[in-house]
Amino acid sequence: AQTVTQSQPEMSVQEAETVTLSCTYDTSENNYYLFWYKQPPSRQMILVIRQEAYKQQNATENRFSVNFQKAAKSFSLKISDSQLGDTAMYFCAFMMRGTSYGKLTFGQGTILTVHP
Amino acid sequence: EADIYQTPRYLVIGTGKKITLECSQTMGHDKMYWYQQDPGMELHLIHYSYGVNSTEKGDLSSESTVSRIRTEHFPLTLESARPSHTSQYLCASTPMGGGHNNEQFFGPGTRLTVL
Repeated sequence: AQTVTQSQPEMSVQEAETVTLSCTYDTSENNYYLFWYKQPPSRQMILVIRQEAYKQQNATENRFSVNFQKAAKSFSLKISDSQLGDTAMYFCAFMMRGTSYGKLTFGQGTILTVHP
Repeated sequence: EADIYQTPRYLVIGTGKKITLECSQTMGHDKMYWYQQDPGMELHLIHYSYGVNSTEKGDLSSESTVSRIRTEHFPLTLESARPSHTSQYLCASTPMGGGHNNEQFFGPGTRLTVL
C-alpha cells in the first residue's frame, strides 16, 4: 500500500516571498503520478501541479514548481512570488499509473497562510 | 471551476435520520468518487464508480451506500445517521481514460453534522 506524508501541518509566508511545502511518499511501484492539490477556505479543491514518475524533468506551472526526487521518494512544492490567494490547504497525492479506477492517496495536508 | 455540484452544502440533522447527499457532474465523466474528510485532515476514499451500475467500496470503511443509475449522478445515502458520521463529504469525477492530467475534479463538499 502507498502512503503519503506531509510533515508540515502549517506554514506561513509573506506576500511576494517563496515558500516550499514538503511531501514524502512510500511505494514499491515504479510507474505513478504525483499531484499537489489546493483546497482554499470554503472553496473547491483544485489541481495545482502534476508530475509523472518516469519524467526526470520537474514540472512547473507559472509560479508553482516541484522538486521531484524519485530515489528519495520526495515531492516538494515551491510557490514563488506568493499571493494572498495562495492561502489554502495543500495536499500532496499519489496515484498508481495503469490502475483502472485512478485511486488517489492523500497526505495529511499543509495549511499555508500568506500574510500581506 | 469544475462542473461538479453537491447539495446540500451544509446539513445539520438528528441521530437516526436517513440522509442522501447529492453529487452531479455535467462533464460526462465515467469515474466518480466519494471522499470523507474530517476538519483539517486528509481525504479518505469511501466509494467509487467506473460508470453506470458500477459501485465499489474504497479504502475507508463506511456505513454509507452509493448508487450510479445515471452517468451524471452519484448520490450517497446514510440509512441512519450517527454523530460518528459528522464530517465533510467530497465528490469527485474524472474521465475514463484519465483525461489530460489524470486530474480528479472536485465538488464543493457537503459538511454534515449529526447531533
